[in-house]
Amino acid sequence: AQKVTQAQTEISVVEKEDVTLDCVYETRDTTYYLFWYKQPPSGELVFLIRRNSFDEQNEISGRYSWNFQKSTSSFNFTITASQVVDSAVYFCALHLTGTASKLTFGTGTRLQVTL
Amino acid sequence: DTEVTQTPKHLVMGMTNKKSLKCEQHMGHRAMYWYKQKAKKPPELMFVYSYEKLSINESVPSRFSPECPNSSLLNLHLHALQPEDSALYLCASRLRGNTGELFFGEGSRLTVL
Repeated sequence: AQKVTQAQTEISVVEKEDVTLDCVYETRDTTYYLFWYKQPPSGELVFLIRRNSFDEQNEISGRYSWNFQKSTSSFNFTITASQVVDSAVYFCALHLTGTASKLTFGTGTRLQVTL
Repeated sequence: DTEVTQTPKHLVMGMTNKKSLKCEQHMGHRAMYWYKQKAKKPPELMFVYSYEKLSINESVPSRFSPECPNSSLLNLHLHALQPEDSALYLCASRLRGNTGELFFGEGSRLTVL
């Protein structure tokens, strides 16, 4: 069975601080996809990134960066110079190929960025 | 702005009412989803439609009845709901295949009295 763990329930930072959101996953499959979604108060889940299990290259997109390490089954997300607009719940999710489109979500990390 | 549109944004209904939630996308996506999300919890998959056919039903009670009239539209018919069914109902779509990202709507917040 697959599982996604986001151990940090809530994180509070002051604007301009860097913050890392942790994600640890479990699966016996060798082929899978990992996702991060952002859920602001409006409710919509906003897609941030998709990474397949064969691509361990880290990625940077503006203030966002992702560190994928298969050796530790982790897919951590760092926001550099956080802003108030980054306040949201962030979900890490796992998708196994052949599971008919089913995403396994972590429990989410609520990030609060204050002035 | 989201490209998946859900209506209504808020719905309050009694346990004997019949109501429907609507979801629309015009991105040409052929897979559409209903998720249920309780407060401070992750979304839980309810139904998946692929090419307008129901492909996954996650053992959802029959008081929830999905319908996909065409490739752009997804409905969720509600009847005889319970107060514990109060939640945010999210619709999502995917272009095709099983590994692309999901595009979510803003959800319909349902309260059952």
